[in-house]
Amino acid sequence: RKEVEQDPGPFNVPEGATVAFNCTYSNSASQSFFWYRQDCRKEPKLLMSVYSSGNEDGRFTAQLNRASQYISLLIRDSKLSDSATYLCVVNSGRTGNQFYFGTGTSLTVIP
Amino acid sequence: DAGVIQSPRHEVTEMGQEVTLRCKPISGHNSLFWYRQTMMRGLELLIYFNNNVPIDDSGMPEDRFSAKMPNASFSTLKIQPSEPRDSAVYFCASSLAGGPPANEQFFGPGTRLTVL
Repeated sequence: RKEVEQDPGPFNVPEGATVAFNCTYSNSASQSFFWYRQDCRKEPKLLMSVYSSGNEDGRFTAQLNRASQYISLLIRDSKLSDSATYLCVVNSGRTGNQFYFGTGTSLTVIP
Repeated sequence: DAGVIQSPRHEVTEMGQEVTLRCKPISGHNSLFWYRQTMMRGLELLIYFNNNVPIDDSGMPEDRFSAKMPNASFSTLKIQPSEPRDSAVYFCASSLAGGPPANEQFFGPGTRLTVL
């Protein structure tokens, strides 16, 4: 079983729509959780960390459900510039510093 | 800050040749990671270093791959001999090991490797 699993999509949504991505992880001892964004032919960049209580950054909301071992990302009022691949990332290494990346969910926001 | 620096940005080589990819992490970061990304397999961790010491190299595909970190500001990933199936984008990332949020990883721009 993969450490981190995501629905690859693609998600094609109109501007202004709300879209949600989910991700599940297999190691219940995982400690840190992140969403990264990767634009085409670019490197992944941190979008936001995911905290136990849930956190919001503008139009983006991340939530963690430890009991069910899933992480979610909600994007409200989608913009064309949100089009990218969103990677779910879990830190569950023995040394606490090994990241496992999901294969990513592709989002295209349509005018 | 210049961010993570990788070179070369693009490499085209013939099967059997040696390939060396280079990475300079962000100054002050003590962890360095090498990843490989392909359409089929996504982003895979190859190896990571803590304070210049290799911690986990279980992701290194086979003996043809080797990585070194002679000092805190430089690392190499070498493939010898290269094969067409090694064609991928290779990313280097660095972080400051410790509790969150300190262990955010910062990625370099990647090296796009094509082995003919």
